[in-house]
Amino acid sequence: QLQLQESGPGLVRPSETLSLTCTVSGDSITSRSANYRWGWIRQPPGKGLEWIGNIDYSGNTDYNPFLKSRLTVSVDTSKNQFSLSLSSVTAADTAVYYCTRRTVNYPTDVWGKGTTVTVSS
Amino acid sequence: DIQMTQSPSSLSTSVGDRVTITCRASEDISNYLAWFQQTPGKAPKSLIYAASTSQSGVPSKFSGSGFGTDFTLTITSLQPEDFAIYYCQQYKSYPLTFGGGTKVEI
Repeated sequence: QLQLQESGPGLVRPSETLSLTCTVSGDSITSRSANYRWGWIRQPPGKGLEWIGNIDYSGNTDYNPFLKSRLTVSVDTSKNQFSLSLSSVTAADTAVYYCTRRTVNYPTDVWGKGTTVTVSS
Repeated sequence: DIQMTQSPSSLSTSVGDRVTITCRASEDISNYLAWFQQTPGKAPKSLIYAASTSQSGVPSKFSGSGFGTDFTLTITSLQPEDFAIYYCQQYKSYPLTFGGGTKVEI
């Protein structure tokens, strides 16, 4: 059974870079490689869900235009991981960050448990 | 970006009741519409995709309908575990966007 697990610092200082990694277990990140999109969704405290972006096994990305100038999503197939990097963070980036998987032309069907990231000095 | 508008934002109901939640897209999304359920402290759970197709293992009490811009999620015979926040999501085009959520409360 496919499982996703987020990891990374729970506290990031304003203006610094938020970095998270998602470890994929139960399947290879390259299996059915052309069909899967590995991505990130976040949820600020008490608010709704915001799609951040996704990547395929070969490194092709799609980003939320609102975050694009600060965002990098990357994949490491040798470690079966993908990562999120968000630069110049502010308090508005405080959220629970979920790593996800979706299949092309389908919605997200697998979610990690989420990790809370707080931006504060 | 495609805007997704859910209504109501919250509703109060009782065990055993039937509820209907609506989701409207700002443009035609065909049937590229999903519904998710989120309980406190948990990741969202996929209920419905392609507007009306249930995910494997989802009880038949959850049903979806709609096409184009207007969609509904209906939940029958509400049980305590159904009290949660429900979100719609369009996945027709990037950026993927969610509705603001509907909190179903006792």
